[in-house]
Amino acid sequence: SQELEQSPQSLIVQEGKNLTINCTSSKTLYGLYWYKQKYGEGLIFLMMLQKGGEEKSHEKITAKLDEKKQQSSLHITASQPSHAGIYLCIVRGGSNYKLTFGKGTLLTVNP
Amino acid sequence: KAGVTQTPRYLIKTRGQQVTLSCSPISGHRSVSWYQQTPGQGLQFLFEYFSETQRNKGNFPGRFSGRQFSNSRSEMNVSTLELGDSALYLCASSLGDTDTQYFGPGTRLTVL
Repeated sequence: SQELEQSPQSLIVQEGKNLTINCTSSKTLYGLYWYKQKYGEGLIFLMMLQKGGEEKSHEKITAKLDEKKQQSSLHITASQPSHAGIYLCIVRGGSNYKLTFGKGTLLTVNP
Repeated sequence: KAGVTQTPRYLIKTRGQQVTLSCSPISGHRSVSWYQQTPGQGLQFLFEYFSETQRNKGNFPGRFSGRQFSNSRSEMNVSTLELGDSALYLCASSLGDTDTQYFGPGTRLTVL
C-alpha cells in the first residue's frame, strides 16, 4: 500500500517568513491533493496536482509535484497568522481509488 | 452552493450506547465518504457510498455502518460505543468517486 510522509511534522515561523512543507510518497505519484485543517474542524481543499512537473498557486500558496522524486512541496510566501493550521497531503490510488493520508504538518505563525 | 453539512456538530454518549451521524453533501454530488480522525491514528477511511451503494469499506468493525439515501444524504451509525470511538468524524462529498472531495466541518463524538 502507498504511504505518505510529511516533513516537517510541525513548524513555527514568524509572520512574514517563507516556508516549505514536503510530502514524499512510497510509490509513484500520479496525482496529489493538498488540504488545510483548522484544529477540530473539517478539511479545506487547497489544490490538486495531476501530473509531474505541475505547479499551481493560490494567493500566497504554491504547490509543486515532482514525479521523479515522488514528492510534492507546498510553499507559503510571506506567511500570515491566517495560514496557521494543519496541512495534509492526500493521494487517491489503487484499484478502489481509496484515499491515503499524510500525517499532517502543524504550522504555527507567530505575529 | 452550500457546502457539506454535518449534524450534530458535537455529541456526548456513554459506553454501550449507539449513535447516528448525518451528512448532507454538496448539491449534485453523488459520492459521500466517511472518515474517523483521532490524535493517535490520524485520518482513517470508514466507507464510501455512491448512488446509495457502498463502494469501499475501511478496516473498522461491524459496529460501524452507514447508508446513503436517494437524495445522496448519508448517515453513519456506531453501535455499542466504546471509549476508543471518541473522535472527530468527517464526511466528504464529491461528484464522482474519483473526483476532489469536499469535507464537512465534522462531528465531534465523545464517549464517556
